[in-house]
Order: sequence, then structure tokens, then C-alpha cells
Amino acid sequence: DIQMTQSPSTLSASVGDRVTVTCRASQSITTWLAWYQQKPGKAPNLLIYKASSLESGVPSRFSGSGSGTDFTLTINTLQPDDFATYYCQQYSSYPWTFGQGTKVEIK
Amino acid sequence: EVRLLESGGGLVQPGGSLRLSCAVSGFTFNNYAMSWVRQDPGKGLEWVSDISGSGDTTYYADSVKGRFTISRDNSKNTLYLQMNSLRAEDTAVYYCAKGACTSTGCYNWFDPWGQGTLVTVSS
Repeated sequence: DIQMTQSPSTLSASVGDRVTVTCRASQSITTWLAWYQQKPGKAPNLLIYKASSLESGVPSRFSGSGSGTDFTLTINTLQPDDFATYYCQQYSSYPWTFGQGTKVEIK
Repeated sequence: EVRLLESGGGLVQPGGSLRLSCAVSGFTFNNYAMSWVRQDPGKGLEWVSDISGSGDTTYYADSVKGRFTISRDNSKNTLYLQMNSLRAEDTAVYYCAKGACTSTGCYNWFDPWGQGTLVTVSS
């Protein structure tokens, strides 16, 4: 199985900050990576697919980059609505696997 | 608007069975693979099972293989997950999720997800 490791597990930031979340795969997944945002009590919501493609309707302050084993999710100018938990997911090979999550909290 | 609505969760004893359903609307159901993903309360996400649009191909996580069965009724726009021999570690919120298709093909990211249904396995 491909292991997905996110860092950090928790990130404290302020409104207006630029934040970066990292996701590392245990083997190359080329660009077969998605990012999701999840708020408490809600289902995950797709932000990014194919490592860097922004899902329709997602604000442009979200961006993704990377290929192979190392990926990043960047949120430019953090907004109050962005405080949530973020997950990466590989869809390169079965079983599909997720990172353990990164909680972005208010500093 | 694409909608997915799960039902069928609840409290079940270890060794028991439960069938989850996911009713969908807003898209041509038989054109898309569908998935079940679960989340242990307060913890991370675990992919459980996939089924192709036609229903003839299925995949399972090792943790549920031989105990869970995914199926679909394309005439009813409904996805199912039959869960047998349930264990305490199966306790989770179960989400159904739609696969994705673009101009270049179909892929296994999940969009959108249903609201989830809670399964609790406890005596």
C-alpha cells in the first residue's frame, strides 16, 4: 500500500497568513493526488485534483503543486472560512489512501 | 445539482449485519464509479470499496474484504454496502462518494460526498 504522510498535523495561523501543508507519498504517484477540506460534522469537500488542478467553485487562494512523492497545498491570504482539516489522497493505485490530516487552527 | 444521501446506519452488535444505501440524483448514475469511504469518529479517512459504473468490477480494502459487499442498482440510482460480521473497529461514519470523469478519462478522486451515516458496533 502507498502510505501518505502529511505535515504538520496541526498548524496555527492568523487570518491573512499564507499557509502550506505538505503531503509525502511512500512511492511515486506522479500527479495522481487530490486535496480535500473538511469542517467539523461535515463531509470532505474536494479542493484540488491531479495535484494542481483547482476544482470548479474553489477560491483561487487555494493552490496545489508537486509530483512524484512530494506535494504541497498552499492557501494564500487565509480567510476565516479556511480554518478546517485538510487531507491529501492518492489515486495512483489501490487501495486509495489518505494522509492523516492537517488541522489549520486559529492562532 | 448532484446529491448523495446515505441511510441505513445505526447501532449493531459485534458479529451483526447492516446494509447501507446511498440514493443519488443530479447525474447519470451508471456513467460513474462510486465509492464508500469511512471515518473513525475524530480520526482520519479510510477508503472502503469501489464499484464500476456498470457494477461488474469491485474493489475492497483488505480490512473489509470477505465481510463487506458493494453493489448498485442503476435503475434505482442507488448504491449499497452490505456489511456482515461487523467488528468494533468498523465503527465509523460511512460516506458514499462519486468518482470523477473529465475529458481525458475517469479517475478515482471523490466528488462530491454524501453527508454520511454513522455505524456503531457495540454490545
